[in-house]
Amino acid sequence: DQQVKQNSPSLSVQEGRISILNCDYTNSMFDYFLWYKKYPAEGPTFLISISSIKDKNEDGRFTVFLNKSAKHLSLHIVPSQPGDSAVYFCAASLWGGATNKLIFGTGTLLAVQP
Amino acid sequence: EAGVAQSPRYKIIEKRQSVAFWCNPISGHATLYWYQQILGQGPKLLIQFQNNGVVDDSQLPKDRFSAERLKGVDSTLKIQPAKLEDSAVYLCASSKGSDYGYTFGSGTRLTVV
Repeated sequence: DQQVKQNSPSLSVQEGRISILNCDYTNSMFDYFLWYKKYPAEGPTFLISISSIKDKNEDGRFTVFLNKSAKHLSLHIVPSQPGDSAVYFCAASLWGGATNKLIFGTGTLLAVQP
Repeated sequence: EAGVAQSPRYKIIEKRQSVAFWCNPISGHATLYWYQQILGQGPKLLIQFQNNGVVDDSQLPKDRFSAERLKGVDSTLKIQPAKLEDSAVYLCASSKGSDYGYTFGSGTRLTVV
């Protein structure tokens, strides 16, 4: 049962253009969402997050949008840079209490072409 | 601040052998996690420790996997005996407990042949 889905295994964009990575989830109880970035042979690195009480969070070139009614979130990168080329994982959590397990999607490989 | 340290980086073993991975979390991080990432999939939580106590091990295959964090600092994850399907990257992560973002180590890539 894949509770967090990233339906696009890969995405290619030109440098300077916008990259949009999508993520869908099935569990309406998720209350926190995160994006991680992963380079080869390295562990995932936290990028940006959003609480379920918000619909947008922005940090520099990165913006995450949350549409709770559609159970959908997206990560926008503007402008895209070659150094952004990596695998991006969407993750969701039922935060609070003793456990804060993250449920990850399968990832989207972003390639930014110079 | 030093990151999450893991060793070894790579390990190749034959099926039915045993293997152990080590993790040293960021100093002061009470919560430690072991995740398994199979090729083409997202990381999946195996076990979560709060200090030296287990908080969640619901997805740990307990017939062959074990983990401990005896002094509430570093941790080991063991597989005995290994199966071909255990080939994956094993990621350790830590957090202060109530933080929203984990810090992951670089992982140990296990190949079972």
